[in-house]
Amino acid sequence: DAKTTQPTSMDCAEGRAANLPCNHSTISGNEYVYWYRQIHSQGPQYIIHGLKNNETNEMASLIITEDRKSSTLILPHATLRDTAVYYCIVCLIQGAQKLVFGQGTRLTINP
Amino acid sequence: GAGVSQTPSNKVTEKGKYVELRCDPISGHTALYWYRQSLGQGPEFLIYFQGTGAADDSGLPNDRFFAVRPEGSVSTLKIQRTERGDSAVYLCASSLRGLFRRLNTEAFFGQGTRLTVV
Repeated sequence: DAKTTQPTSMDCAEGRAANLPCNHSTISGNEYVYWYRQIHSQGPQYIIHGLKNNETNEMASLIITEDRKSSTLILPHATLRDTAVYYCIVCLIQGAQKLVFGQGTRLTINP
Repeated sequence: GAGVSQTPSNKVTEKGKYVELRCDPISGHTALYWYRQSLGQGPEFLIYFQGTGAADDSGLPNDRFFAVRPEGSVSTLKIQRTERGDSAVYLCASSLRGLFRRLNTEAFFGQGTRLTVV
């Protein structure tokens, strides 16, 4: 699976949009981009995934660049409960969803 | 329950002992995964089951680690002759992926079992 690069940490003010970048320059055509987050002392939680089109759900939006080498997760109105480690993962479309977690981005939402 | 359940939530054992960690996946989920997470690190893949069979066990660190899923639902991760370095949170996840369903769906994680080897 392709590697991803994320900033180690980010801060965002409560109520603002949180934009979390991820680079995946070696992604192949049969790999999705997945985002998970892990709140302290809990298991990881799925947020969103996409292949090449932008995606939106009730939690977040995912913007994937046209060349698919990077993406941005957007939390439109961050709350204190969004404080967590956010993981960007690339994963094959078929076969085992063997998630390869990196270090992630530690996002802190400040009041 | 509606989610992935792992028991026990905490386990303290002495070095050299044998431990079993249990995972109850979401009903109907055919895929089951075990991960291990050390403090400050992201989860590390251990093994993946599709149904009853281990489809990918490439993440098991050595032959002291073994996992089973005899009826295609509940899974047990077994660790023999535990070492202090085995101390970590062991996470289980499941996802819906049938034989004729080629595309992956998201994985749902349990709360984990915190294993401490003293």
